[in-house]
Amino acid sequence: SQTIHQWPATLVQPVGSPLSLECTVEGTSNPNLYWYRQAAGRGLQLLFYSIGIDQISSEVPQNLSASRPQDRQFILSSKKLLLSDSGFYLCAWSPGGPEAFFGQGTRLTVV
Amino acid sequence: GQQLNQSPQSMFIQEGEDVSMNCTSSSIFNTWLWYKQDPGEGPVLLIALYKAGELTSNGRLTAQFGTTRKDSFLNISASIPSDVGIYFCAGQLHGQNFVFGPGTRLSVLP
Repeated sequence: SQTIHQWPATLVQPVGSPLSLECTVEGTSNPNLYWYRQAAGRGLQLLFYSIGIDQISSEVPQNLSASRPQDRQFILSSKKLLLSDSGFYLCAWSPGGPEAFFGQGTRLTVV
Repeated sequence: GQQLNQSPQSMFIQEGEDVSMNCTSSSIFNTWLWYKQDPGEGPVLLIALYKAGELTSNGRLTAQFGTTRKDSFLNISASIPSDVGIYFCAGQLHGQNFVFGPGTRLSVLP
C-alpha cells in the first residue's frame, strides 16, 4: 500500500534562516505531488504541485520554492524565512486520478 | 479562480445528534471529496464522489454529489466525541488541481 512521510513534524526557526521540508511517497510511482499551507483556523492553500521529476508549478508567488529531485521526493525550501511563513505545511500525493492523500504535516513557527 | 464555500463555518452539537454540512461552488466539478482533519494532523480522506447524484456511505457518514455538480453534502449520524475536527470538501475538474473549501469546524458536546 502507499504511504506518505513528511518531516519534521514541528520546527521553530528564526527569521532569516533557511528552510527545508521533505516529503516522500512509498508504494507508487510517478505520483502527482503537492505542497499546501494552512494558516491557523483556515483552509488549505496550494503552494506548489509537480507532475514529474523537476516539473514544478507554483500557484502563489512567495518566499518559498519547491524541488523534486527524485520521482517520490518533494522538498519545500526557503533561503530566508519570514515571520509570515509560519503555518502548517502539508504534503499530498495523488495517483493522477481524482483523489489526494495527505501527510501528517509540519508545524513551522518562525520567530 | 474557483472557490468553494462551506456551511456552516462551525457547529456545536450534542453527542448522538445528526450533523449536516454542505459545500457549494460557482462552477461545476467532476469529483467531490470530503476530508476530516484532526488537530495537528493532515486531512484524511473520508468519501470520494465521482458522479452527479451519487450517494455514498462510509459507516456513519453519508455524502452526496449534487445533481447540479456545483454542490455536495455530508451527513454524520449519531455523532460521537471522536467526530470532532475540521471537515473539508474538495472539488476537482478533470485535469485540474483540487480546490478546497475553508472547512467546517465540528465540536461535539458530551
